[in-house]
Formats: sequence, structure tokens, C-alpha cells
Amino acid sequence: GAVVSQHPSWVICKSGTSVKIECRSLDFQATTMFWYRQFPKQSLMLMATSNEGSKATYEQGVEKDKFLINHASLTLSTLTVTSAHPEDSSFYICSATGGQLKDTQYFGPGTRLTVL
Amino acid sequence: GEDVEQSLFLSVREGDSSVINCTYTDSSSTYLYWYKQEPGAGLQLLTYIFSNMDMKQDQRLTVLLNKKDKHLSLRIADTQTGDSAIYFCAENTDKLIFGTGTRLQVFP
Repeated sequence: GAVVSQHPSWVICKSGTSVKIECRSLDFQATTMFWYRQFPKQSLMLMATSNEGSKATYEQGVEKDKFLINHASLTLSTLTVTSAHPEDSSFYICSATGGQLKDTQYFGPGTRLTVL
Repeated sequence: GEDVEQSLFLSVREGDSSVINCTYTDSSSTYLYWYKQEPGAGLQLLTYIFSNMDMKQDQRLTVLLNKKDKHLSLRIADTQTGDSAIYFCAENTDKLIFGTGTRLQVFP
């Protein structure tokens, strides 16, 4: 199996608050997890890569203090959007490797964040 | 550079075949993938092909790989309305590089 879940599936928050999104691999141990952001009608933009027990590697232009990533176990990674602003509104998708097919990323269902 | 390109839109009649094309740039990719994304959902892995293969068939899906031209295609036989979605090709280098996505619309 290679099932990845995300929670919540959607969230609406006020500007200035922080939001945490969870990504879980349900039936496999995820050696690596990835966080993507997707704008409407666009492709996915990789934000960061995280390995269990180590600091995430952020892509150029992604603020690590704004998008906090924690990968505390082999089945859970969290993305916290700190002091969210309307421009942070987006669709956030996680993925994980470690499933049936080596090095293949299996994606979660995504989280729609709307910041008012 | 790392550019994966796809045509933006494809419209087909139900029952016909659909062919979605993709060109990539990195010849060192081990795998090439096709993902499907339905509205408001994540990406579903449809199929993949090893870089040392030319063709792979999986039920209604046929993937063709032309390494010389760095061209990848996905053919969907007997296209159904449930196939309407956005299809992304992707190559893996040190990270996954996605194409721009092709929106497939199937009409009755």
C-alpha cells in the first residue's frame, strides 16, 4: 500500500494566526516527505523536503521561518504556516516516499487554506 | 534547465482514445511518471515507466517513451467521463519535476 492522508482537508483562518497541517503515511514508513504548494490552474511548486529526525531542506525563495516543517516520526510530518496572511492562501499538498515503489512519491489529498 | 512541458488542454469524445504528450529535459531521470489530479484533490499516481523502457501498458493506459527526443506520452483507451481531470507528467532527478499539466475534458 501507499496511502497518504492530510488533515485538515480545508481550513479558514484569520490573518495573523498560525495553521498546522498534518501529513501521515498510513500503511508505510515514509523515509522522506515533501511539501508542495499549488496555485489555481498551475502545477505544483516544491516548498521543502524533510527526512525524519532532521531539519527540512527548503527550496529557494521559501521562508523557513514562515513555513515550519516538523518530521517527528516515520509516519508524520507537519507544516505550520505562521502568522498567515491572505497571500498564503493556497492548496498545500504533501507527498511521501517509502511505499511500494522505491523513490516514488505518493501524494496526500491536499489541504485548502484560506486566510481572511 | 529543468523544464517539463505539456499541452494545456485536450478535449475528446467519450469512447475515443486520448493522447497526452510531455517533453522533458533531464536524460538522467530513472523514472518518469504520470499523475492524475481531479478538482480539489491531491495527485494520484497513474503509472510510471523506467527510463530504460520504451513502452508500458497497464489496462487502458499506454505509456510511450522516446529517450532520444525526450518525449513521453500517455494514451488512454476508451476514454470515459471519469477520466476528465488534469494530468501531470513528472521526471525525477534529485527532486520531482512536474509538467505544466494537461486538462483533459471528455464529452459525451
